[in-house]
Amino acid sequence: SQQGEEDPQALSIQEGENATMNCSYKTSINNLQWYRQNSGRGLVHLILIRSNEREKHSGRLRVTLDTSKKSSSLLITASRAADTASYFCATAAIGNTGKLIFGQGTTLQVKP
Amino acid sequence: EAQVTQNPRYLITVTGKKLTVTCSQNMNHEYMSWYRQDPGLGLRQIYYSMNVEVTDKGDVPEGYKVSRKEKRNFPLILESPSPNQTSLYFCASSSPRTGRTDTQYFGPGTRLTVL
Repeated sequence: SQQGEEDPQALSIQEGENATMNCSYKTSINNLQWYRQNSGRGLVHLILIRSNEREKHSGRLRVTLDTSKKSSSLLITASRAADTASYFCATAAIGNTGKLIFGQGTTLQVKP
Repeated sequence: EAQVTQNPRYLITVTGKKLTVTCSQNMNHEYMSWYRQDPGLGLRQIYYSMNVEVTDKGDVPEGYKVSRKEKRNFPLILESPSPNQTSLYFCASSSPRTGRTDTQYFGPGTRLTVL
C-alpha cells in the first residue's frame, strides 16, 4: 500500500530559486523522513521530523509537518545545480516499527 | 569508513537460477532492510530485520527469502528468479540508538536483470 504520495512528480527551476516538494500520507506516523537520490545511486538521508515536531531546519533545507492534514513539505532554498536529484519522503507508521514506506519521489532539475 | 556494502552491484541471470545478493554493514546496526526500486513505483520494502534471527515481511515479500544469522549481514535470496524481479535493489540499515525506523543508511544498490 502506498503511504507517501509526492507532489509534484517533476520540478524544474533555475539556480538560486527555491524548490518546494510536498508529501501526503494516509495513516498516523511515528516520524517522516526525506531522502535524496542521485541518478541510480543509493539514497542519502536528509532530515527526519518526528510526529510531535512541526518544523525542522538543516542548512538550506526546511521541513514542515502537519499531522492534522497528514502532509509534509521540503523546501530547498537558494538551489544549486548540485541539488539536481530525486527526493523521496518516507513514513514510519505507529505500531509498524519495522516498516518504512516511501513515496514515488519528486525529480528536481536545477538549471545553471 | 561507516558503510553498507552490497554485492554484486550488477547481475544478469536467467529465469529459475537461484541467486543471493549479499548485504553487509559495519555500523553495528540492529535494523536492516531490503527494498526494490522500479520506475513509477518508488521504493518498496521487501523484508526487514529488527535483530539477529528476527525477520518480517515488508510490502512485497513474494519470491524472496532473507536470513539474519549475524548482526552485520542480511542476504537477499531469490530461489527461482523471474523476469518480474528485474529491478534495482537496495539494502539499508538503521542505528539502534535512534529507533528502528529512524535514519536509514543505504547501500549503493544492485541492478538485477532476469532474462
